[in-house]
Amino acid sequence: AQKVTQAQTEISVVEKEDVTLDCVYETRDTTYYLFWYKQPPSGELVFLIRRNSFDEQNEISGRYSWNFQKSTSSFNFTITASQVVDSAVYFCALSEHTNAGKSTFGDGTTLTVKP
Amino acid sequence: DTGVSQDPRHKITKRGQNVTFRCDPISEHNRLYWYRQTLGQGPEFLTYFQNEAQLEKSRLLSDRFSAERPKGSFSTLEIQRTEQGDSAMYLCASSPTGLGEQFFGPGTRLTVL
Repeated sequence: AQKVTQAQTEISVVEKEDVTLDCVYETRDTTYYLFWYKQPPSGELVFLIRRNSFDEQNEISGRYSWNFQKSTSSFNFTITASQVVDSAVYFCALSEHTNAGKSTFGDGTTLTVKP
Repeated sequence: DTGVSQDPRHKITKRGQNVTFRCDPISEHNRLYWYRQTLGQGPEFLTYFQNEAQLEKSRLLSDRFSAERPKGSFSTLEIQRTEQGDSAMYLCASSPTGLGEQFFGPGTRLTVL
């Protein structure tokens, strides 16, 4: 069975600090996809990134970066120089190739960035 | 607006009543998903469609829940004989493929009194 764990329930930082959100996953499939979504206070989930299990290259997009390590089943998300607008709930999710369509989400990490 | 839309945005009902929610996906997306989200939790998968075919249903989806996507476009989720435990945000998402990112609607918040 697939499972996603986000151990950090809440994180609070001061603007311009760097922050890393942890995600650990469990799956029996060798082919799977990992995602990060952002849910701002307005409530609508917004897709941030997708990685497949064969691509362990880290990715950087502006102030966002992702570190995928199969050896530790982790897919961590770092925000550099955080801003107040980054305040949101962030969800990590997993989809297995053999169970296409069903995404399992973690319980989310609430990030608060204070000015 | 070409995003996923859901109607209504809020629904308050009394226990025992039936409710129906509608989701309009992004037009070219053949995959449509329903999730339920309660406070402090991530979205929980309920069911998904590929075109008009319902391909999987979660164990969470009791026989009081039914979903349809009759023409492979919009979808409805009906809850019969609502219970207080059904109070949650019901999210709809669509995707052009089975393993790609999902695009979420704003959700329907259900409150069962």
